[in-house]
Amino acid sequence: GESVGLHLPTLSVQEGDNSIINCAYSNSASDYFIWYKQESGKGPQFIIDIRSNMDKRQGQRVTVLLNKTVKHLSLQIAATQPGDSAVYFCAENPPEGGFKTIFGAGTRLFVKA
Amino acid sequence: NAGVTQTPKFQVLKTGQSMTLQCAQDMNHEYMSWYRQDPGMGLRLIHYSVGAGITDQGEVPNGYNVSRSTTEDFPLRLLSAAPSQTSVYFCASSRTSGSYEQFFGPGTRLTVL
Repeated sequence: GESVGLHLPTLSVQEGDNSIINCAYSNSASDYFIWYKQESGKGPQFIIDIRSNMDKRQGQRVTVLLNKTVKHLSLQIAATQPGDSAVYFCAENPPEGGFKTIFGAGTRLFVKA
Repeated sequence: NAGVTQTPKFQVLKTGQSMTLQCAQDMNHEYMSWYRQDPGMGLRLIHYSVGAGITDQGEVPNGYNVSRSTTEDFPLRLLSAAPSQTSVYFCASSRTSGSYEQFFGPGTRLTVL
């Protein structure tokens, strides 16, 4: 909702530019990662996922990069559009936790027209 | 398909009152979960279920109960509401094999006075 994410890290980009959103995950044994997009007043929405045996995965206008050495995940959005304005969360599934998904704090993306 | 539905959308309780947040999905997903989202934070897992009759605790289970009598429904009960439970609550569902993409409901905004 509108009160969520008041103190989130913020990224502001010009429409048409590429966006890079970064995330540091906590568990070196996590084997599955997902990026979600949350628009104001709505539930999170799946964007793209990646397993730990991959370094890169591409979707439509989005690419996820995984660096296991430094426990870092990034989401690249090509040709950012106003509709991309939202809060973006990375999430990890630790293997020992089964389905105990852990969400990061999120990054707010503003797209300037 | 309606996806994941949640009721009510908004709720105001007094301290000590109890209530049940409803969640239903029509995708025949085995996995269902409840999260809470506080301002400036990501989602935190309250309880989850990997099938009818099976539930387990997440990161922040205290003060909440769940049950899963059918594949479709996963209600969340607040036993004795406290101001610290003021939050936005999201229900989600997913398959338990292949992609673990979670489908989220629209959320319930709960205020405890």
